[in-house]
Amino acid sequence: AQSVTQLGSHVSVSEGALVLLRCNYSSSVPPYLFWYVQYPNQGLQLLLKYTTGATLVKGINGFEAEFKKSETSFHLTKPSAHMSDAAEYFCAVSDKWGGTSYGKLTFGQGTILTVHP
Amino acid sequence: SQTIHQWPATLVQPVGSPLSLECTVEGTSNPNLYWYRQAAGRGLQLLFYSVGIGQISSEVPQNLSASRPQDRQFILSSKKLLLSDSGFYLCAWSVAATDTQYFGPGTRLTVL
Repeated sequence: AQSVTQLGSHVSVSEGALVLLRCNYSSSVPPYLFWYVQYPNQGLQLLLKYTTGATLVKGINGFEAEFKKSETSFHLTKPSAHMSDAAEYFCAVSDKWGGTSYGKLTFGQGTILTVHP
Repeated sequence: SQTIHQWPATLVQPVGSPLSLECTVEGTSNPNLYWYRQAAGRGLQLLFYSVGIGQISSEVPQNLSASRPQDRQFILSSKKLLLSDSGFYLCAWSVAATDTQYFGPGTRLTVL
């Protein structure tokens, strides 16, 4: 079974500072990994995903994440935070399509990012 | 392009009343469909998923049920709501044989 741990339920940064949101996963098979963002009272929006290939994945809004198999991590970064980045971020893992998984996602508990002016 | 709709956007219901939330997807055929609940401080919980019309799998025992009467329609129901059913309900879809899920705007349910 898969599991996801997001370190830090709340992260606070200053505008222009580096954003680092941590995600560690557990999976019995090579995982597919995702980051989603949720703004208040809205659905989740896909930021980026890793399936195979290049381990550094670039997403929307200047975010990127690096898959590190040896560390079972998929941390999300952005070089310079913007006020509009304030939201809740979810890391998720999926076992590969096939068998009985039906592409289900297991989500972390979420990290709320606050950006100070 | 594909779009996903949920309604209503917000709902306030008394304990013991019935519930029906609807989700529809446009622009794709035979999607996989999912219902999630997001309760305060509890992250995202997968409630049901469906890989086809009439095919529903439940992830957790609860007071809720789901149905898929049409290919692109997914309904979440309850006969009698409990206080613990309050939360933000999200519908999602994915293309069969892929893993990326796309979420709807959600329904905020408050049970009083």
